[in-house]
Amino acid sequence: IAGITQAPTSQILAAGRRMTLRCTQDMRHNAMYWYRQDLGLGLRLIHYSNTAGTTGKGEVPDGYSVSRANTDDFPLTLASAVPSQTSVYFCASSDGANYGYTFGSGTRLTVV
Amino acid sequence: GQNIDQPTEMTATEGAIVQINCTYQTSGFNGLFWYQQHAGEAPTFLSYNVLDGLEEKGRFSSFLSRSKGYSYLLLKELQMKDSASYLCAVLDSNYQLIWGAGTKLIIKP
Repeated sequence: IAGITQAPTSQILAAGRRMTLRCTQDMRHNAMYWYRQDLGLGLRLIHYSNTAGTTGKGEVPDGYSVSRANTDDFPLTLASAVPSQTSVYFCASSDGANYGYTFGSGTRLTVV
Repeated sequence: GQNIDQPTEMTATEGAIVQINCTYQTSGFNGLFWYQQHAGEAPTFLSYNVLDGLEEKGRFSSFLSRSKGYSYLLLKELQMKDSASYLCAVLDSNYQLIWGAGTKLIIKP
């Protein structure tokens, strides 16, 4: 089934640890995005990539890094996790922004 | 700054009609989206409006007025499965999506 796969589904992480959230899509979409979603707030863009080999910073990039080595994969890395990074993380992709985004099922991350 | 406003929560009765409003102030406009998000799940696409007027899709309709910076999502013949959050998002001049915080819709029997 075509779509976006995120892993892990959920994770409890000790503060200070490094963590990579994985995101893979099989739709050959050029653009990919990482969002975090917190209660009472809208989806906030962390980083994005318009095409393989390029990345850009979103609204809340601090503490996060991304890479886009190929079209399918867009991992998000927390170099040294802090409790404020406790959130639900969604990866999304798009075949052109006005076609809308397809979202992965999310990763629920708790930093303790 | 960029801002999207929608009510935090609404309650409606099964079988009724509900209208969820969204107002926006963004740097540029390249379309407005509505997404549905059930609790614990990912958002899923409902509608896209770029021209003024009403777009109807089954029980769901979406309206846009660009001059007023206003949109609404109309849900008819409400069903219990329509209980979800409804997210309004605007595509700005840089083709980035700006998201509202979402409206939690509670359907009562």
